[in-house]
Amino acid sequence: DTEVTQTPKHLVMGMTNKKSLKCEQHMGHRAMYWYKQKAKKPPELMFVYSYEKLSINESVPSRFSPECPNSSLLNLHLHALQPEDSALYLCASSQGLAGAANEQFFGPGTRLTVL
Amino acid sequence: DAKTTQPNSMESNEEEPVHLPCNHSTISGTDYIHWYRQLPSQGPEYVIHGLTSNVNNRMASLAIAEDRKSSTLILHRATLRDAAVYYCILYIYNFNKFYFGSGTKLNVKP
Repeated sequence: DTEVTQTPKHLVMGMTNKKSLKCEQHMGHRAMYWYKQKAKKPPELMFVYSYEKLSINESVPSRFSPECPNSSLLNLHLHALQPEDSALYLCASSQGLAGAANEQFFGPGTRLTVL
Repeated sequence: DAKTTQPNSMESNEEEPVHLPCNHSTISGTDYIHWYRQLPSQGPEYVIHGLTSNVNNRMASLAIAEDRKSSTLILHRATLRDAAVYYCILYIYNFNKFYFGSGTKLNVKP
């Protein structure tokens, strides 16, 4: 199984809502990532988890809160978002920290719209 | 501060080779060059990566200039399914991070 799954596929939320994005992989990968992608732009790294510990936070606003409950699962909790946070949110995983030899496997993304 | 620069778009005919260029003039000796592609409505997928030598795999070839300041992704026979945005990415060893280029949108004509 070389798949990264993400749920939901689409999410519409108001600025006062609290919601969560979920990402799952069963490849035994120990590194997991959240990226944000605006239309016609490349993905931008948000967070990196390595062995279930937060390794990199790219100065992401606190209204985005990541969580890695176990090595297969990665969540992104959303609260008090702004319309400019509307984007495609991509999850990825790799065997170790992605770098010289570690290929990242991406999920299909969650399309988020903030009203 | 872009680490890689790529043309915005390119066009190719089906069954012909495609050469996608990338400039990375600030690359250092320990930085790897990666290529990923993103098909419509999908997440990016790995294509190929290399350090100094040219690399081949079942999807593509990667030609790296001798001074490493540029590279070219080669698709040997483009198919309609190769139409995608191709990202040239630097893995910066010292920061342990990927830096995506802006991407080249490849259009393949039948």
